[in-house]
Amino acid sequence: DAGVIQSPRHEVTEMGQEVTLRCKPISGHNSLFWYRQTMMRGLELLIYFNNNVPIDDSGMPEDRFSAKMPNASFSTLKIQPSEPRDSAVYFCASTERETQYFGPGTRLLVL
Amino acid sequence: AQSVTQPDIHITVSEGASLELRCNYSYGATPYLFWYVQSPGQGLQLLLKYFSGDTLVQGIKGFEAEFKRSQSSFNLRKPSVHWSDAAEYFCAVAPPGAGSYQLTFGKGTKLSVIP
Repeated sequence: DAGVIQSPRHEVTEMGQEVTLRCKPISGHNSLFWYRQTMMRGLELLIYFNNNVPIDDSGMPEDRFSAKMPNASFSTLKIQPSEPRDSAVYFCASTERETQYFGPGTRLLVL
Repeated sequence: AQSVTQPDIHITVSEGASLELRCNYSYGATPYLFWYVQSPGQGLQLLLKYFSGDTLVQGIKGFEAEFKRSQSSFNLRKPSVHWSDAAEYFCAVAPPGAGSYQLTFGKGTKLSVIP
């Protein structure tokens, strides 16, 4: 198995632009999590899905952030418009029972 | 609300020395407990986990952790550190039982290894 796949691995954009991060979970995993990691705040849970349904989005910073999971093999995290304070590493993780498996992350820089 | 404390932000050890990374949690019941490792530029990799049973848990890469209920601790240990162990280590907890598998992470401990 290829593990959790995220794309792009790096993204540099300008303030105000739309950014879309993509995640392909491990086949057969029923839950998917989006995290953000910064030096100041550490790892923060943004949102998670169970069987493609959003369960808890209380960690989503504001309305500029949205996430979708149209099917069991694909999820997106969108930021529109992006701001410099959104610069971070964004991780996707999928779950086999109680254990989360993380993707390599997308490093986002908003100028 | 549950919380995880990793009191050591940065630890430096010599190669071949033993290692112990501390983790304390605050939770009403015994949660599920995890240790993850993150190498530079990489995602988090699961080292080991504890759900119930034997309080000494063996993981990958020669790591082990011991759950101590009385101290609300789940410390990670390795008898002899290798240079490749230099990374950041995260302790995490999740509510016990089936259902939500939301993890709460500690702030992490960065490990440096002196050759």
